[in-house]
Amino acid sequence: DAGITQSPRYKITETGRQVTLMCHQTWSHSYMFWYRQDLGHGLRLIYYSAAADITDKGEVPDGYVVSRSKTENFPLTLESATRSQTSVYFCASRLAGGADTQYFGPGTRLTVL
Amino acid sequence: QQQVKQSPQSLIVQKGGISIINCAYENTAFDYFPWYQQFPGKGPALLIAIRPDVSEKKEGRFTISFNKSAKQFSLHIMDSQPGDSATYFCAASLTNTGNQFYFGTGTSLTVIP
Repeated sequence: DAGITQSPRYKITETGRQVTLMCHQTWSHSYMFWYRQDLGHGLRLIYYSAAADITDKGEVPDGYVVSRSKTENFPLTLESATRSQTSVYFCASRLAGGADTQYFGPGTRLTVL
Repeated sequence: QQQVKQSPQSLIVQKGGISIINCAYENTAFDYFPWYQQFPGKGPALLIAIRPDVSEKKEGRFTISFNKSAKQFSLHIMDSQPGDSATYFCAASLTNTGNQFYFGTGTSLTVIP
């Protein structure tokens, strides 16, 4: 059972380019989340999804787009990457109902030059 | 505004000692307080969690102490081991409204032999 996976694990891109980070979970969890992790800021929520075709903004959504056409996938797109989006991105998922634990993927380290 | 404030930023403890990490929160409606452990290059993983109806929860060498009136909670690691060296994040959330976890900024723990 793979759990939750992210791809790519490392990505270098240039300012202005579009980048898509992939997240896939095998648990059929209803909820999925995207966080960014930056030194001094901890983990900040970008977007989350309660189910397929249902998404909502988190704390820092500007410059990001998400979609969720299938329960198991939750891609995050940077439409026009900026240097300030250099970060480590984590995807997480959890079951529906109550504030149950969130299970995190291994992360994607993104560098925008 | 930081919803959850965590201290210290870094901590060095001798093997066998007690590691203590503190968090304070603003929103009195928060009702779920997890602690996550993160090793380098990995995603955060749930370590232990508490709800405000109890003042303490212990799992092995890890204990959460919760002070509802002071809006503070802390993680105690007893008999700290070099394998405990990691970054620890506290978080807080509301069970019934949305699903956002508000994370602290993290504490880098180093346990020296």
